Amino acid sequence: AQTVTQSQPEMSVQEAETVTLSCTYDTSESDYYLFWYKQPPSRQMILVIRQEAYKQQNATENRFSVNFQKAAKSFSLKISDSQLGDAAMYFCAYRSAMDSNYQLIWGAGTKLIIKP
Amino acid sequence: EPEVTQTPSHQVTQMGQEVILRCVPISNHLYFYWYRQILGQKVEFLVSFYNNEISEKSEIFDDQFSVERPDGSNFTLKIRSTKLEDSAMYFCASRTLSNTDTQYFGPGTRLTVL
Repeated sequence: AQTVTQSQPEMSVQEAETVTLSCTYDTSESDYYLFWYKQPPSRQMILVIRQEAYKQQNATENRFSVNFQKAAKSFSLKISDSQLGDAAMYFCAYRSAMDSNYQLIWGAGTKLIIKP
Repeated sequence: EPEVTQTPSHQVTQMGQEVILRCVPISNHLYFYWYRQILGQKVEFLVSFYNNEISEKSEIFDDQFSVERPDGSNFTLKIRSTKLEDSAMYFCASRTLSNTDTQYFGPGTRLTVL
């Protein structure tokens, strides 16, 4: 069974600085998708970025980018120029390409604190 | 931009009562999901629904739970006899049929069982 591990329960960063959130996963599959979701205090789950395992190029979305290391099964999220609105829980999630139901498997989350 | 909506935002109920959580998925989406997140814990998959039937369910989704798409827009989760441990945030999500499509989540319903 696949698992997702986020080893940092909490991270803090100074506003305008860069922070990297870690995520590792375990799978025997070669084709899958990885996601970072943001959950602000409102508790809504918002998609931040997505990575297809078959793509070597790291996904980027404005200030958000990932470092996808397939061999190491690592999928870290880098947030550049941190803003107060980035404060939230960040969840890493995995989805097997073989699962026709596309069930998401979640990490435990990392709480990101932005210091003004 | 279309979004998934959920009602109510917060539901308080007595143990043993039935609750129905409602979701309106994005209109052209065909796959629907319920997840729950107990406070301080991981998000857990409950059930997926496609073509008017359950396509997959987790061990959590026992006989106390049921889902329904009563009309063309709503997708509901019913808990027949709530327990204290059912207290959680319940998230609905939906997606299209595309192989690469992402699930889009609603804002969640906070269920508190007293």
